[in-house]
Amino acid sequence: EPEVTQTPSHQVTQMGQEVILRCVPISNHLYFYWYRQILGQKVEFLVSFYNNEISEKSEIFDDQFSVERPDGSNFTLKIRSTKLEDSAMYFCARTSGGIAKNIQYFGAGTRLSVL
Amino acid sequence: SQQGEEDPQALSIQEGENATMNCSYKTSINNLQWYRQNSGRGLVHLILIRSNEREKHSGRLRVTLDTSKKSSSLLITASRAADTASYFCATDAVDYKLSFGAGTTVTVRA
Repeated sequence: EPEVTQTPSHQVTQMGQEVILRCVPISNHLYFYWYRQILGQKVEFLVSFYNNEISEKSEIFDDQFSVERPDGSNFTLKIRSTKLEDSAMYFCARTSGGIAKNIQYFGAGTRLSVL
Repeated sequence: SQQGEEDPQALSIQEGENATMNCSYKTSINNLQWYRQNSGRGLVHLILIRSNEREKHSGRLRVTLDTSKKSSSLLITASRAADTASYFCATDAVDYKLSFGAGTTVTVRA
């Protein structure tokens, strides 16, 4: 399966700044996801995106977060005003099609460091 | 919550030995999956077992599922140094979102 590409690999930002994390999945897949992993902790679901709309979001995904698929290919996660506790690895994932649609393919992640 | 919880948290074994880790979850599931994460990298899918299956094999991996106990196990046979990683179980539900456990960190000593 083709890989999911995430950029940047590492983002350092000041508290209160906006960040945009990018993901380039394969354009003909419908389901996309963002997950977060705080250092040493479990991977947590943030949001799922289906057919260009948010399908489900977790409690973590508050008004500071938004997702877009601006050009039909790139998939972005925006954090409007970063907090120290937003420091984590952020993973984008997509599902495959057909009978394997439950399997998710993850990018290598973006490490966000909020100072 | 459908989150899986793994035990042990960490496992250190000699190359060639088998590694077994367990996962428990709380509610009914569609499928249970196992993923591997190498340090600082993304997660890689290993194997999926459906709720109506009891055992599945893939290469050196063997997964069992006991829905009555809401538990699963992952066995890696004849471990290699390259198997050193964190292993996560995950349950999937509506819209296929994954709920992960805390993971088991496996270290294979040469």
